[in-house]
Amino acid sequence: QKEVEQDPGPLSVPEGAIVSLNCTYSNSAFQYFMWYRQYSRKGPELLMYTYSSGNKEDGRFTAQVDKSSKYISLFIRDSQPSDSATYLCAMKRIQGAQKLVFGQGTRLTINP
Amino acid sequence: NAGVTQTPKFQVLKTGQSMTLQCAQDMNHNSMYWYRQDPGMGLRLIYYSASEGTTDKGEVPNGYNVSRLNKREFSLRLESAAPSQTSVYFCASSEPGVLKEGYTFGSGTRLTVV
Repeated sequence: QKEVEQDPGPLSVPEGAIVSLNCTYSNSAFQYFMWYRQYSRKGPELLMYTYSSGNKEDGRFTAQVDKSSKYISLFIRDSQPSDSATYLCAMKRIQGAQKLVFGQGTRLTINP
Repeated sequence: NAGVTQTPKFQVLKTGQSMTLQCAQDMNHNSMYWYRQDPGMGLRLIYYSASEGTTDKGEVPNGYNVSRLNKREFSLRLESAAPSQTSVYFCASSEPGVLKEGYTFGSGTRLTVV
């Protein structure tokens, strides 16, 4: 069983829709949670990060962590064609070198 | 701002050939990483270097070696390439304790082993 599970999609939605991307994890030691966005043929770039449970909002993006359920989500409001990319969740244990464990990535397409 | 630079961008190797993937960062980060990305598998850690002079195995180290040449450079070597090593390879760097910045990734090396 993978430590981090993410539905690979692909997910296709119309412009303006609310998008929900999710990951589950099995290791309760994970404390830091991140979302990366990866455009085609590019390296991933950090989109959002959160520590422990709760919500964090940044413009049209909201990251949510539920540690009791070992479940994290990324919501995109008013989705735009420029949001079309692969989204990867990542997480880290609180101690040790900063080794991130990544989900498989969800490929998202926003249709104009 | 160059960030993380990987060379080459593309490479085709024959089975059994060797090659070295180069990575350099100009952000003065202490930690560097090599990942491979395969369809449906996400990013898997091959090797990492927490600081200059140290290297450690990640999740999928077999068939690879690394060298942390100095603080800026971290190379990945395939001694005898196999078709299973066909993948996109990403180098990344980070500064321990500065989580907010996360990892900075290079643009990747697309390797095909025939």
